[in-house]
Amino acid sequence: AQSVTQLDSHVSVSEGTPVLLRCNYSSSYSPSLFWYVQHPNKGLQLLLKYTSAATLVKGINGFEAEFKKSETSFHLTKPSAHMSDAAEYFCVVTPGTNAGKSTFGDGTTLTVKP
Amino acid sequence: ETGVTQSPTHLIKTRGQQVTLRCSSQSGHNTVSWYQQALGQGPQFIFQYYREEENGRGNFPPRFSGLQFPNYSSELNVNALELDDSALYLCASSPAGADTQYFGPGTRLTVL
Repeated sequence: AQSVTQLDSHVSVSEGTPVLLRCNYSSSYSPSLFWYVQHPNKGLQLLLKYTSAATLVKGINGFEAEFKKSETSFHLTKPSAHMSDAAEYFCVVTPGTNAGKSTFGDGTTLTVKP
Repeated sequence: ETGVTQSPTHLIKTRGQQVTLRCSSQSGHNTVSWYQQALGQGPQFIFQYYREEENGRGNFPPRFSGLQFPNYSSELNVNALELDDSALYLCASSPAGADTQYFGPGTRLTVL
C-alpha cells in the first residue's frame, strides 16, 4: 500500500522569493517519487524524480527535491519563484519501478504574486 | 518521436450512456495506464495494461473497462455513465519495468 499527503493545498509567494511545496509519503515498497506540474488546460509535465540514487534531485526550471527516508518526506523547492511557475503541483509515489501504478497527492496550487 | 496522444479532446454525454476514450502510446512503450482526475483533485489510478492484459486495477467498478491492442494503443470504456464520472481522463505510457511514465493531454468528459 502507498499514499501521498501534500501538506498545503495552496501556497502563495512573491516573485523572486523561495518556493517550498511539502509532501509526505508512505509505501510498503522502496518507492520511486516524482513531482509533476500541471498548468491550466495542459497535460502533466514531469519536474523531477527520485529512484533510489542521489537523495537530492535536480529537475527542470530550477526545481529541486530532497528525499528524506527518516522523515518520509519529498519536499519540492526553488530558490526564486517566477511568474511562469504558477500552476498545480502533484507529488507522486510509485511502487518500485512500475511507473504506471502511481498514487498522486491532491495537489498544491502555487500562486506567484508580482 | 511522437508523444502520447488522446482522442477526443472533449466529450459530452448524458447519464446512462456509454463512452469510449482512446489513447495512442509513445513509440516503443508497451505499458499503458489510465487515470481519472476529478475537478480539484489529483489523478486516480484506474487500471494498467501490459501486453494486452490488465495488469493491476485501482478502486473503480467493473463498468470501467479497457483494451490494449497489438500496436499498444488503448481504449477506456465506461458503461452506464454517472454524473460523478465527469472528469479529465489521462492515459500514460511507459516501457515495461520503467520508473517513468509519459502522460497524454487528456480527454475532458462531461456527463449531464
